[in-house]
Amino acid sequence: GQNIDQPTEMTATEGAIVQINCTYQTSGFNGLFWYQQHAGEAPTFLSYNVLDGLEEKGRFSSFLSRSKGYSYLLLKELQMKDSASYLCAVGWNDYKLSFGAGTTVTVRA
Amino acid sequence: ETGVTQSPTHLIKTRGQQVTLRCSSQSGHNTVSWYQQALGQGPQFIFQYYREEENGRGNFPPRFSGLQFPNYSSELNVNALELDDSALYLCASSLEPGLAPLPYEQYFGPGTRLTVT
Repeated sequence: GQNIDQPTEMTATEGAIVQINCTYQTSGFNGLFWYQQHAGEAPTFLSYNVLDGLEEKGRFSSFLSRSKGYSYLLLKELQMKDSASYLCAVGWNDYKLSFGAGTTVTVRA
Repeated sequence: ETGVTQSPTHLIKTRGQQVTLRCSSQSGHNTVSWYQQALGQGPQFIFQYYREEENGRGNFPPRFSGLQFPNYSSELNVNALELDDSALYLCASSLEPGLAPLPYEQYFGPGTRLTVT
């Protein structure tokens, strides 16, 4: 199966930190991606994890635990422009991608 | 470097009609994947084309079909349109499947918004 679960919505204030969790079924797993999608626009690549641990990229970090089928995306020093949908996507051994439904993050002043 | 482009931007069709959506991949990419994204949902994989051949298919009926051309551009065809086909259709291009370090890094086009009435 390819069930990918992430929260539907999260709200935070400017300057704060938000953590978006993602769980997935581990069979056939071959990498985890996070994408950002602003309303009416295409998804844009944020991060990729294939090994356990934390990958840091400026204000964004992504963590992976393969044994637990768990990842999170950490957004620090939130800015208004970070208001968007964040998509967790799993890559499988057949090189295909499956996306979660997305988490809508709203940043308030 | 030219990004992924799609045409048309918006399209309105009636139930039962057929539609063709087009995608030009990013320069240097020979793999194209198509996704359907319903409102409030994540993209759902339709199929992937690699070197002009279908390289995997998601859970979509045969009335969804595609083509890839020698210049790696691609088409998505949908026959006998249904109301539930209304969605944003995304095309994404990537390097050859399995190429390190980011085999799956896909670059998305802006999408075609299809409305079926």
